[in-house]
Amino acid sequence: SYELTQPPSVSVSPGQTASITCSGDKLGDKYACWYQQRPGQSPVLVIYQDNKRPSGVPERFSGSNSGNTATLTISGTQAMDEADYYCQAWDSSTVVFGGGTKLTVL
Amino acid sequence: EVQLVESGGGLAQPGGSLRLSCVASGFTFSNQNMNWVRQAPGKGLEWVSYISSSSNTIYYADSVKGRFTISRDNAKNSLYLQMNSLRDEDTAVYYCARDFMPGGIWSGYGLGYWGQGTLVTVSS
Repeated sequence: SYELTQPPSVSVSPGQTASITCSGDKLGDKYACWYQQRPGQSPVLVIYQDNKRPSGVPERFSGSNSGNTATLTISGTQAMDEADYYCQAWDSSTVVFGGGTKLTVL
Repeated sequence: EVQLVESGGGLAQPGGSLRLSCVASGFTFSNQNMNWVRQAPGKGLEWVSYISSSSNTIYYADSVKGRFTISRDNAKNSLYLQMNSLRDEDTAVYYCARDFMPGGIWSGYGLGYWGQGTLVTVSS
């Protein structure tokens, strides 16, 4: 079965740029999505089709996908961005999620 | 405003059954594909099942295949998950989630709308 691998944790200082990676075999040949989940809340879609932002998602969120790696980038990270982030792709009639990355803003 | 409201969670014994429901509002339910996603306590997201708008296409995760059944009633704006032969590892919050846009989640649109979730606990 297809697997997506994310680092368990990433730390960033307020105002700096955070990058969260998601690795999978030939992931660049698929579409990647990203979700933000704050503690006690439901997930929120922040990036779809590799690099598109749904309405209402701040411009500081961006995405890319090439080769075996998709990356979520948060520019000018704010305290409110502290959350778990999950990548997601579609493979062989299944939705696959990465294991999640806890972003700490300190 | 899109709203998805799950219900039906609770305590079940191993080997038992539960039926989850999700009532949708704020959009034309019969035009949208739907999914169930679960999250075990303190763990990550795990996709469970997908059903197309007309129920013609259904997919399941290997972990639930043969035990869970997804269905929908477009007249009632409702999505269901019948869970049989429950196991301890099925303990999780179960979310109802809608494709962000028509065209299929395989088109990269993702799951754009989520309910608040309903907790299923499997324990003796």
